[in-house]
Amino acid sequence: QVTLKESGPALVKPTQTLTLTCTFSGFSLSTSGMRASWIRQPPGKALEWLARIDWDDDKFYSTSLKTRLTISKDTSKNQVVLTMTNMDPVDTATYYCAQTSNIHGDAFDIWGQGTMVTVSS
Amino acid sequence: SYELTQPLSVSVALGQTARITCGGNNIGSKNVHWYQQKPGQAPVLVIYRDSNRPSGIPERFSGSNSGNTATLTISRAQAGDEADYYCQVWDSSTGEVFGGGTKLTVL
Repeated sequence: QVTLKESGPALVKPTQTLTLTCTFSGFSLSTSGMRASWIRQPPGKALEWLARIDWDDDKFYSTSLKTRLTISKDTSKNQVVLTMTNMDPVDTATYYCAQTSNIHGDAFDIWGQGTMVTVSS
Repeated sequence: SYELTQPLSVSVALGQTARITCGGNNIGSKNVHWYQQKPGQAPVLVIYRDSNRPSGIPERFSGSNSGNTATLTISRAQAGDEADYYCQVWDSSTGEVFGGGTKLTVL
């Protein structure tokens, strides 16, 4: 059974750097075809994809946010980490991590429960 | 950058058929996925690669994709189908793209 769980600070100040960790079980990110992504959702608004890391360490970023984002993985710990620099109140959102396998093409198969991050001084 | 357009809201009478559209330039050439999100919950995949249902998703959910429009169809709508629905594609220039979401109301 695949599960993912996001963790990180609930509150960050403007200009600070946010670090989020996705800890997963039920699959390995070293297995061919596996991917993990970060997606966020401001309160009452739509989903927004942020970044993706693949089993072969390929990385992809949102074109509008790529200068602020870094995604990495630690396969020994079954974790994916996202850092976002220069946080702003508009970055207040629920942040999700999601798994992609080859079972359903390149869709996001399983999502974590999400973690709410508020940016405020 | 690639964009997907969805209606803000769709209403359907109980037991009738709801259709939610997702518009994009030549979207018919892409694989479209659909997610259902209920309040306070994470999204759940309901249709992948245009018209395929993951295990556990009722047959009432179906999808199609052609030209500039993809469509999610929910037959025999139930109260439990009330949710936000999002379409999503991969674009080689933009990355993963989500539509703006459609709120489905079952009357």
